Amino acid sequence: DQQVKQNSPSLSVQEGRISILNCDYTNSMFDYFLWYKKYPAEGPTFLISISSIKDKNEDGRFTVFLNKSAKHLSLHIVPSQPGDSAVYFCAAGGTSYGKLTFGQGTILTVHP
Amino acid sequence: EAQVTQNPRYLITVTGKKLTVTCSQNMNHEYMSWYRQDPGLGLRQIYYSMNVEVTDKGDVPEGYKVSRKEKRNFPLILESPSPNQTSLYFCASSLFVLPTADQPQHFGDGTRLSIL
Repeated sequence: DQQVKQNSPSLSVQEGRISILNCDYTNSMFDYFLWYKKYPAEGPTFLISISSIKDKNEDGRFTVFLNKSAKHLSLHIVPSQPGDSAVYFCAAGGTSYGKLTFGQGTILTVHP
Repeated sequence: EAQVTQNPRYLITVTGKKLTVTCSQNMNHEYMSWYRQDPGLGLRQIYYSMNVEVTDKGDVPEGYKVSRKEKRNFPLILESPSPNQTSLYFCASSLFVLPTADQPQHFGDGTRLSIL
């Protein structure tokens, strides 16, 4: 069973606009969430994280929002840039778990 | 430079021929793990290790073995590879199980395995 789901396989956005990537989870024990970015022929790189005690975390152009009641998180990129074009994975974990669970990934394409 | 190094980067082999993918990190990280990436399925964890001599199964461990005899190395072993193990594999390491901005999880660049 897929405990972390990214239901949009791809997203296309114009440069300068907002990109919103979504992620849903089913396991109530998850209390820590992350977003990773992956370019072709490279491994994923850490982008931003959020603990369940918060509902928002910002880092420059990237903001992650967490809605615990809906078991939903989203990544906002404002403004989007062509260099943001990559695959984005969300991941979830918990202090009682020894591992992270990843979603399927969303391919973001930012057009100039 | 902080690095996770995987070898080989590419391998084409045949069913049943044992193979090992090596993984080494230079950051003195406690936590290491192996993932496979498949279209539509994202990254799925195969095995993880919290420290030397401590390993545990992830979500898709069948057909794989690992060992953690020393902190820096975490090889992935396919004793009898089969075509359904054709995939892109990533090794990762971090200081803690839950990475942070200050202590992120580092991934290798991947190993593409094709089992014929």
